[in-house]
Amino acid sequence: GESVGLHLPTLSVQEGDNSIINCAYSNSASDYFIWYKQESGKGPQFIIDIRSNMDKRQGQRVTVLLNKTVKHLSLQIAATQPGDSAVYFCAVASGSARQLTFGSGTQLTVLP
Amino acid sequence: DAMVIQNPRYQVTQFGKPVTLSCSQTLNHNVMYWYQQKSSQAPKLLFHYYDKDFNNEADTPDNFQSRRPNTSFCFLDIRSPGLGDAAMYLCATSKGTGGQPQHFGDGTRLSIL
Repeated sequence: GESVGLHLPTLSVQEGDNSIINCAYSNSASDYFIWYKQESGKGPQFIIDIRSNMDKRQGQRVTVLLNKTVKHLSLQIAATQPGDSAVYFCAVASGSARQLTFGSGTQLTVLP
Repeated sequence: DAMVIQNPRYQVTQFGKPVTLSCSQTLNHNVMYWYQQKSSQAPKLLFHYYDKDFNNEADTPDNFQSRRPNTSFCFLDIRSPGLGDAAMYLCATSKGTGGQPQHFGDGTRLSIL
């Protein structure tokens, strides 16, 4: 089965700096990858996703990078703001599977 | 506009007293999921419906049941809640084909007295 791990359970960054959150997965057949942001007391909120036929995708202030060779996924947040403070989860899926396998989450804290 | 709505946001029940949590969606998605999330952990999938087809995860206790009377609504029934069932319960939906994002509600926080 799939296992998904985040490299650091906590990350602190200064406001205005860039943040990078990393995730590793085990199943080479995984072909769909997604990042969620979860604020305290709320459900996970979709940030950005990427499929295995791409290695980079950009959104508003966020970029996801996929390295299939080493089975590594990262989320980059530009000019981190206090409102970015939350727990970030990566999740992966394979083929037609409707289930996502979640990583354990990284708590991002933005320092003033 | 909330697209996946969970009620209530907070639920308190007594040990062993059945409880039902509800979820509704305005996305017309085929799939509805129920997750359990404990503090500082990732969401854990309990089961999901693809249309009316129920799919249970192998390690979901029998104490947890679900009903989906129509496309828009899905219920989580906990028949005899134990102290270990205190958690956040999240509902999510997706279009149903592989490689689609799941859209989450804000959850119901369940406390057991």
